[in-house]
Parts: sequence; C-alpha cells; structure tokens
Amino acid sequence: QKEVEQDPGPLSVPEGAIVSLNCTYSNSAFQYFMWYRQYSRKGPELLMYTYSSGNKEDGRFTAQVDKSSKYISLFIRDSQPSDSATYLCAMSSNTGNQFYFGTGTSLTVIP
Amino acid sequence: SQTIHQWPATLVQPVGSPLSLECTVEGTSNPNLYWYRQAAGRGLQLLFYSVGIGQISSEVPQNLSASRPQDRQFILSSKKLLLSDSGFYLCAWSGGLYRFFGPGTRLTVL
Repeated sequence: QKEVEQDPGPLSVPEGAIVSLNCTYSNSAFQYFMWYRQYSRKGPELLMYTYSSGNKEDGRFTAQVDKSSKYISLFIRDSQPSDSATYLCAMSSNTGNQFYFGTGTSLTVIP
Repeated sequence: SQTIHQWPATLVQPVGSPLSLECTVEGTSNPNLYWYRQAAGRGLQLLFYSVGIGQISSEVPQNLSASRPQDRQFILSSKKLLLSDSGFYLCAWSGGLYRFFGPGTRLTVL
C-alpha cells in the first residue's frame, strides 16, 4: 500500500467552477500537510501548508485536513484558466524523516 | 529570500555518455538538499538527499551518484547514461519541514 494515494485525473472543469482535489494516507505519523502546484515543464511550488487537522484559507484556496479519516483536500473557488496545472499533495512527520508526495492530479480549467 | 538554481534547463544526451547536473541555493545556510526524478505521467521519486557537505544518502540503487562539494551546491552525476535515465530532474532544498524546488532539468537520453 502506498503511503499517499492521489487520483491522477485528469480533471477538466469550466471556468468559475469549484474544484476539489483529494489525497488519502495511511501513516498516522503524518502531522504536516502540503499542496504543491506544478505548471507544465516547471518545478513544483509550495501552494499551501497546514499542521494537524483543520482548515486553512488563502484567497480562493482552502486546504482541509481530516486526520480521523486520513483524508486531505484542496478546494479552489472561482477556478481560473491560470489554475490549470498539476497539484501534488505532500505529507510529513514531525521530524521530516517521513516525507511523501502524492502522484499529482492534472487539472484543466476551460475558459 | 532564498533562490534555487538548476542548470542546464534541458539536455539531450546519447546512451553511454556521462552526466553532470548542478544545483545551487542562495540565501540560506546548511540546507538539506534533495534530488528528485519525475518521469512522464509519474510522481516524484527521491533519488538522493544530503544534510551537509560530503554527506549523501541514496534512496534507490541506480547508475546515478550525487555529491555535495560545498554547502549550497549539489551535483547529480552519471558515468554512463541509460535510456531509462530520461526524465525531469528536480533539485529541492529545505531549512525545516517544507521542501522548495528548483526549475528542473529535462533530460532526454537517445
């Protein structure tokens, strides 16, 4: 079983839609949860990060962690064509010794 | 602020040729450094990481090697490239828990 599972998509939505991206995990040691955005032929950039359970909002983006279900989500409101990218989730233990990425979900927002 | 550089940006090499990819970080001291490979349509595979000068840990056995001759310099090498070495090579650094990536090098082995 993989440490982190992420649906690769691809996901295609119309402009203005709400997008939900998700990851599941099996390791209870994970305490830090991250989302990276990777544009085509570029390096991933850290988009959002959260510690333990709860929600974190940054503009149109909301990161949500449910540790009881071992499930994390990234919501994008009012999606824009510029949001078209691959989104990777990542998780880490407190010490950083266990750090894993999901395989990424490809998102296309159609104008 | 911290900046991470990688070069070259793209590289086309014949099978059996040597390889040297370089990564440098600015604006931080004693970072942890990482080399990842991302094959087409696949996730990030951690190849090597380093916690200090001359300290290299390998995550997967292969014909690649890494070196860290200076605090903020990380080099990925191979003596003889294989077709299977093609991919997108990413260098990353961390000063704590979060990892920050460079722009990547796209390697095509023909």
